[in-house]
Amino acid sequence: GAGVSQSPSNKVTEKGKDVELRCDPISGHTALYWYRQSLGQGLEFLIYFQGNSAPDKSGLPSDRFSAERTGGSVSTLTIQRTQQEDSAVYLCASSLTARRSPGELFFGEGSRLTVL
Amino acid sequence: KQEVTQIPAALSVPEGENLVLNCSFTDSAIYNLQWFRQDPGKGLTSLLLIQSSQREQTSGRLNASLDKSSGRSTLYIAASQPGDSATYLCAVGFYNTDKLIFGTGTRLQVFP
Repeated sequence: GAGVSQSPSNKVTEKGKDVELRCDPISGHTALYWYRQSLGQGLEFLIYFQGNSAPDKSGLPSDRFSAERTGGSVSTLTIQRTQQEDSAVYLCASSLTARRSPGELFFGEGSRLTVL
Repeated sequence: KQEVTQIPAALSVPEGENLVLNCSFTDSAIYNLQWFRQDPGKGLTSLLLIQSSQREQTSGRLNASLDKSSGRSTLYIAASQPGDSATYLCAVGFYNTDKLIFGTGTRLQVFP
């Protein structure tokens, strides 16, 4: 596609439910990132995928969070047993790079998650 | 620890002013630096990308500079307009790390 696409744009869920957030990166981009932006806070790194390499999961806040990237393209971020502190905007970005250091990032519009 | 700081946190100026946003970082092993704009409720839009070998980049009314030795970057906005109102974020890519480290942003309001 022309840009990074994320869905859903908004998700309201009850505490304890599982949610899945989807990211479709720019075609051909090998690197994919998930960040979280809480109200009034900066961007918090969650996870990074690069090609077929093992993902960098160092930013995931707990074992309730997981992510996968199928076929080197679409990625799904899953949050199990959601808590109110999970409420945030989840941003996905992709980059055309094969190097160890990040290239120019292009972001999607984000998925706003509200946990009641 | 690699940290990125942005000053000021908020800025309000009348239309037409030239202004400077500041970004500082603690590690000189910088690979690149990227400036973004974020409108309320939206994602981030890339404005300028500066590689470590460059000193500045320009796009229209925007000019970003990079001084690795002092750990600073500035974003200069010329002849500001109300449409420039947004939050501006800088993000630093360091060597041998996968991720950009983001500052907390400068919230800019340009009033007519």
